[in-house]
Amino acid sequence: KQEVTQIPAALSVPEGENLVLNCSFTDSAIYNLQWFRQDPGKGLTSLLLIQSSQREQTSGRLNASLDKSSGRSTLYIAASQPGDSATYLCAGYSGGGADGLTFGKGTHLIIQP
Amino acid sequence: GAGVSQSPSNKVTEKGKDVELRCDPISGHTALYWYRQSLGQGLEFLIYFQGNSAPDKSGLPSDRFSAERTGGSVSTLTIQRTQQEDSAVYLCASIVIGVKGVNTEAFFGQGTRLTVV
Repeated sequence: KQEVTQIPAALSVPEGENLVLNCSFTDSAIYNLQWFRQDPGKGLTSLLLIQSSQREQTSGRLNASLDKSSGRSTLYIAASQPGDSATYLCAGYSGGGADGLTFGKGTHLIIQP
Repeated sequence: GAGVSQSPSNKVTEKGKDVELRCDPISGHTALYWYRQSLGQGLEFLIYFQGNSAPDKSGLPSDRFSAERTGGSVSTLTIQRTQQEDSAVYLCASIVIGVKGVNTEAFFGQGTRLTVV
């Protein structure tokens, strides 16, 4: 059964810093890995989708990498801003059903103005 | 609309009442998940629908919970005889399944916040 772990669980940094959020998964047989952002009391917003054949994806100040062999993905946020404050979740897709989309518990990020 | 729509956005109900939560997925998406998220917690899988296949109900916490998906589109999650521990945000995800899993992507609604008093 796929297990997804996110480290750290919480992070607080001053505005302007570059930071890295980590996601590890136990089963490398994933089709893709998706990073989401969740604001308090809201749903999940998809940030980046990395296919299993890809190494990284970029969107603006965000860059996500995927290393299937080591079971790791990272989300890099450049020049952090207070508006980046949110919970960031990663999810691995391994097929349908209960275990098809497995989420980590998220990293709660606070960017201090 | 282009996104996943959930209704109502907020629901306050009295203990013991039944509630029905609705999810309108993205047109053409064949798969749909329901999750529950308690305050400060991660996502808890409830149920999965894929096309015309029998749904995977293995995450439903009790027989008070049921869900259906009509015509492969709109889904409703029903909770009977609500209890205070049912209070949570209920999230729906609409999934576009790519060929052999490639390009499979999940899109979430804004959720329904259920409060049982």
